[in-house]
Amino acid sequence: TQLLEQSPQFLSIQEGENLTVYCNSSSVFSSLQWYRQEPGEGPVLLVTVVTGGEVKKLKRLTFQFGDARKDSSLHITAAQPGDTGLYLCAGALGTGNQFYFGTGTSLTVIP
Amino acid sequence: KAGVTQTPRYLIKTRGQQVTLSCSPISGHRSVSWYQQTPGQGLQFLFEYFSETQRNKGNFPGRFSGRQFSNSRSEMNVSTLELGDSALYLCASSLVARLDQETQYFGPGTRLLVL
Repeated sequence: TQLLEQSPQFLSIQEGENLTVYCNSSSVFSSLQWYRQEPGEGPVLLVTVVTGGEVKKLKRLTFQFGDARKDSSLHITAAQPGDTGLYLCAGALGTGNQFYFGTGTSLTVIP
Repeated sequence: KAGVTQTPRYLIKTRGQQVTLSCSPISGHRSVSWYQQTPGQGLQFLFEYFSETQRNKGNFPGRFSGRQFSNSRSEMNVSTLELGDSALYLCASSLVARLDQETQYFGPGTRLLVL
């Protein structure tokens, strides 16, 4: 059983559509991060959310951290083909240096 | 500023062999973490080094080991390779301490295939 479960696992949408990716856990995290990974590359950090209930916006991407700091969501508005990739949530427990990644959501945006 | 580099990028080994992977962090970064990525298990934390000391270790068998040198470069070693060790091994570096509060910069990974 993974510590951080993401849904959906796969998502294929048309350009211009909106989508939401969920990251859930039964554990409380001090913060959660979202990454995007493209084929042949390592993950790249998109955002870190720290406070329960926090909402951060990065252009067309909106990230929310749950009030109880156990879950997070990523909403993409008007998806573009350049958004295609593997989206990963991640967080640390304890001292902050044992890091856990979510199961991942593979997004394909069709032109 | 150069990014995180990993060598080699691709590697083919046979069962029972051992392998050493190398990671050069971004200049000035003192923390290096290693991860294993497979289609079935996703991205899993192997271990993290800071100033030549292993601070944290994930849930992997003792066949997986690592070390960090005084210049922050790191190596990981897998002994007695098994088919299930086939994976993308990613290295990430960060400035200092808390991985949940800092940006980790990932390298492109080493793709290991065990036959």
